[in-house]
Amino acid sequence: GQQVMQIPQYQHVQEGEDFTTYCNSSTTLSNIQWYKQRPGGHPVFLIQLVKSGEVKKQKRLTFQFGEAKKNSSLHITATQTTDVGTYFCAGANTGNQFYFGTGTSLTVIP
Amino acid sequence: DTGVSQDPRHKITKRGQNVTFRCDPISEHNRLYWYRQTLGQGPEFLTYFQNEAQLEKSRLLSDRFSAERPKGSFSTLEIQRTEQGDSAMYLCASSLAGTALRNTEAFFGQGTRLTVV
Repeated sequence: GQQVMQIPQYQHVQEGEDFTTYCNSSTTLSNIQWYKQRPGGHPVFLIQLVKSGEVKKQKRLTFQFGEAKKNSSLHITATQTTDVGTYFCAGANTGNQFYFGTGTSLTVIP
Repeated sequence: DTGVSQDPRHKITKRGQNVTFRCDPISEHNRLYWYRQTLGQGPEFLTYFQNEAQLEKSRLLSDRFSAERPKGSFSTLEIQRTEQGDSAMYLCASSLAGTALRNTEAFFGQGTRLTVV
């Protein structure tokens, strides 16, 4: 079955440092979404990538979709304490079912 | 309607009992998803509906799990003969239908935390 892995599982950074999480799928995806889950909260949608090689930016966040549509990354520039949480990628096949990655838990040290 | 609501928020049950959870999606959303999330893991896809049709249920964890969306609005997830391993957060999400290549944003509810003792 489809598997979506993320690395690293945990990341501790000093406030102001950059952060990157990587997502890899065992199969080619039709599209990929990214979500953020704060401690004790529920996943909140960040963005969707559809096209091969697509890059999208949201303020300090940069999202990339690989050329083969099997991997993706999220990069945060100059982290802030408000960035704390777990970041999940969720890959979709043509069946419109989303399979979440294992998540990367980000801790920002003030 | 301000979002996806789930009821109850917490459920403690004895092993062997049946439990049912309810999800009310955003009213204009025709897709509804159920996920299970355990501590430190990502949401695990269980099943989804488009309107009242259950389009994928092979990922339901066992035949003790079943879901319905009888009128294409609210949905229920039932677990029969609960086991301690069923303890988890059960999340519901809803979205508008997308296309074959582009899905739409999924909005998650707060979840129902199940504890089986």
